[in-house]
Order: sequence, then structure tokens, then C-alpha cells
Amino acid sequence: GNSVTQMEGPVTLSEEAFLTINCTYTATGYPSLFWYVQYPGEGLQLLLKATKADDKGSNKGFEATYRKETTSFHLEKGSVQVSDSAVYFCALSVSRAGNQFYFGTGTSLTVIP
Amino acid sequence: DSGVTQTPKHLITATGQRVTLRCSPRSGDLSVYWYQQSLDQGLQFLIHYYNGEERAKGNILERFSAQQFPDLHSELNLSSLELGDSALYFCASSVGLAGYSSSGANVLTFGAGSRLTVL
Repeated sequence: GNSVTQMEGPVTLSEEAFLTINCTYTATGYPSLFWYVQYPGEGLQLLLKATKADDKGSNKGFEATYRKETTSFHLEKGSVQVSDSAVYFCALSVSRAGNQFYFGTGTSLTVIP
Repeated sequence: DSGVTQTPKHLITATGQRVTLRCSPRSGDLSVYWYQQSLDQGLQFLIHYYNGEERAKGNILERFSAQQFPDLHSELNLSSLELGDSALYFCASSVGLAGYSSSGANVLTFGAGSRLTVL
């Protein structure tokens, strides 16, 4: 089937620390991969995406590379800020998978000054 | 503003009651998805409509129903409400169906959510 597994949180980092949030997936077809971010009190927003193997999605200093060989799409940022505190969701979609998006359980990140 | 409009933003009601949540998708989007987000269950997919037709069902209770109208707005009806139905309900829209489209990956655009509190 299709599913996404994210590292469990919560994650607490000091400002300017390096961030990695692990995400692995299983998919019956050739998925597109996404990271969404949810800031406190808001809806989910698309952070970045990748549609094929070895693609690197990037936005706001965040990066994730589509690794087909390890079925992973880990989110990284070199230097986090307090404003990055949010919940991060990894997701996939497969065109032949009943037209659904599959989300991970979310990883809560808190950045302290 | 994501372009996906959800009303009401907040709703407080009593057990046993019925409520309707409304969603207007982003202009040009034909797909509407409903999700429930609670503290202990994470983000749960409820149902998906594409151009007025139901395309997929997730963990939607029989007490819940939804529809998408010809103007593409959607409504989620929740009846015989229980305390456990208290949650954030999100609507999301996309241009077409999930997966890869000719213009790139179909992405979901979320609304700000409707917070339902059942007392």
C-alpha cells in the first residue's frame, strides 16, 4: 500500500542548530513527495515538493531530496530560527492510488532562542 | 490567504446536534478534500470529491456526510455530534486528481480550518 512514516517528535532545537526530520515512504506507484508546514493556529501550507528521483525541493532554507533507492525524503535546514517552530508533515501522492494524498503523523518542532 | 475559504472558523455546539461546515475551493480547483485533525489522531483523511463526484472515502463516520455542488463548493455535515468529534476540520483543494499532472505535481492547498467544539 501507500504510507508515510515520519520521525516522532517533539523536536526541540536551539536557534541556528541543524535540523533533520526523517521521512520514509512506501508507494505502489511512482509518487510525488511533499513537505507541508503548519504554524500555530493555521492550516497546512506547502513547504516544498519533488516529483521524481533525485529531485531536490527547496524553500525558505529548507531542502529535501527524493531518494528512490532508500524511499526517503528527509527534511533539512542548516540553521533554524524561532520562526520555524511549527508542525511538519511529510506526504505523498500517487496518481493511481485512488486519487489520495497520504500524510505522515507530523513532527512538532520548537526552536528556542 | 491560500484562496481556500472555510466557514465558520469556530463553532461551539452541544452533543447530539448537527452542524454544516462549508468550503470554497481555490479558483480553478476541481478537487476538494476534507480532513479531520485532532490532538490524538493527527491528520485523518475523510473524503474526496472531484468535480461534483465522490472519488474516495477515508475514515469518515456514518454520522458524517459531504457533497460538492455544481459551483464546486463543498459542505461537510456532521450529525449526532459526540464529544470526540471536537477537532479541527480542514478543507483542501487541488487542480485535479492526486499525482502528477502535465503542469507538475498536483499540490493540495489548505484552508485555515473550522474548529468544532462539542460540549
